[in-house]
Amino acid sequence: GNSVTRMEGPVTLSEEAFLTINCTYTATGYPSLFWYVQYPGEGLQLLLKATKADDKGSNKGFEATYRKETTSFHLEKGSVQVSDSAVYFCALSGSGSEKLVFGKGTKLTVNP
Amino acid sequence: DTAVSQTPKYLVTQMGNDKSIKCEQNLGHDTMYWYKQDSKKFLKIMFSYNNKELIINETVPNRFSPKSPDKAHLNLHINSLELGDSAVYFCASSQVGDYYTFGSGTRLTVV
Repeated sequence: GNSVTRMEGPVTLSEEAFLTINCTYTATGYPSLFWYVQYPGEGLQLLLKATKADDKGSNKGFEATYRKETTSFHLEKGSVQVSDSAVYFCALSGSGSEKLVFGKGTKLTVNP
Repeated sequence: DTAVSQTPKYLVTQMGNDKSIKCEQNLGHDTMYWYKQDSKKFLKIMFSYNNKELIINETVPNRFSPKSPDKAHLNLHINSLELGDSAVYFCASSQVGDYYTFGSGTRLTVV
């Protein structure tokens, strides 16, 4: 079945550092890929998405590129802020599937 | 203005009790879901309904029974609560093939 593997966490960075959170997936066909963010005490919010190979999703300074050749969708941000501290989830929705499959969340802590 | 709302936000109850969590969405979406998030933040789908019809039923104990009176509501009833049911339960909704909108979660603690 479809699955998502994220990099081992948690991640602790200083403000303005570069962020990469790795995500690889296993799926048949052409899934849609997503990053969701969960701020403390809140539900999940869509951060960005990409629906086909080579698409780049971007939002709030975060980017991720759909790489079919490496089955990856790594999340990057050039300069993190304290307010980016949250748990980040990579997810996929298989072609024709109604089910969103999540990887384990990666907790990001950004220190001032 | 809340798009997906769940009640209650917190629920503390004793083992063996029966409880319900309610979810409502005002987005006009056709599909609604229940997810369970464990203490390690892992999210796992439990159920999905499309236009009041059950379409996904993962391996969940039959003590958990979803009910969708209309496509804007998906409630979750849990019988004979156990310690292991303690988790955060998230409701979500979407249109087919589109991203999900999540509620803010219900933190269930079974003591």
